[in-house]
Amino acid sequence: DQQVKQNSPSLSVQEGRISILNCDYTNSMFDYFLWYKKYPAEGPTFLISISSIKDKNEDGRFTVFLNKSAKHLSLHIVPSQPGDSAVYFCAAGSGYSTLTFGKGTMLLVSP
Amino acid sequence: ETGVTQTPRHLVMGMTNKKSLKCEQHLGHNAMYWYKQSAKKPLELMFVYNFKEQTENNSVPSRFSPECPNSSHLFLHLHTLQPEDSALYLCASSQDSSLTGELFFGEGSRLTVL
Repeated sequence: DQQVKQNSPSLSVQEGRISILNCDYTNSMFDYFLWYKKYPAEGPTFLISISSIKDKNEDGRFTVFLNKSAKHLSLHIVPSQPGDSAVYFCAAGSGYSTLTFGKGTMLLVSP
Repeated sequence: ETGVTQTPRHLVMGMTNKKSLKCEQHLGHNAMYWYKQSAKKPLELMFVYNFKEQTENNSVPSRFSPECPNSSHLFLHLHTLQPEDSALYLCASSQDSSLTGELFFGEGSRLTVL
């Protein structure tokens, strides 16, 4: 049973527009959430994180929103750039467990 | 070299072969991990080592055997694998295995089992 779900396998967005990547989780014990970005032939790299005491964390063009009651988080990229084209993994965990990853969403930003 | 380095980047092996994947980190971290990434599946944690001690084995079959001789090196020994073991094997490290430690990944070893 998947505890972290990224239901959209892919997303296409035009350059300059907003990209919204979604992630749902089922384990109410999760209290820390991360997004990783992966280019082809490279390992995932850390992008941004949020703890359950917050509902928003912003870093430049990247903002992560957390809705604890809905067990939902989203990553907003604005404005989107072609270099943002990659696979984005959502991950969640708690002090009692190591990270659980979603399947990933492939983002394609077209010029 | 910096970061997390994995060798080989690509490996093709038969089911009766014995091979090893190597991971080395130059970040001064104390925790190292093996993950498996199969097509259309989430990243699956296989093993965790913290200060050279294995702290987690995520029900991995015994045909995968990890070894961590020191905090900078991690191996994954492979023996009598199955074709369904073909995947991208990612090594990662973090300062320690506490959750708030960010994971730093290597580029992965793409394994094909014939």
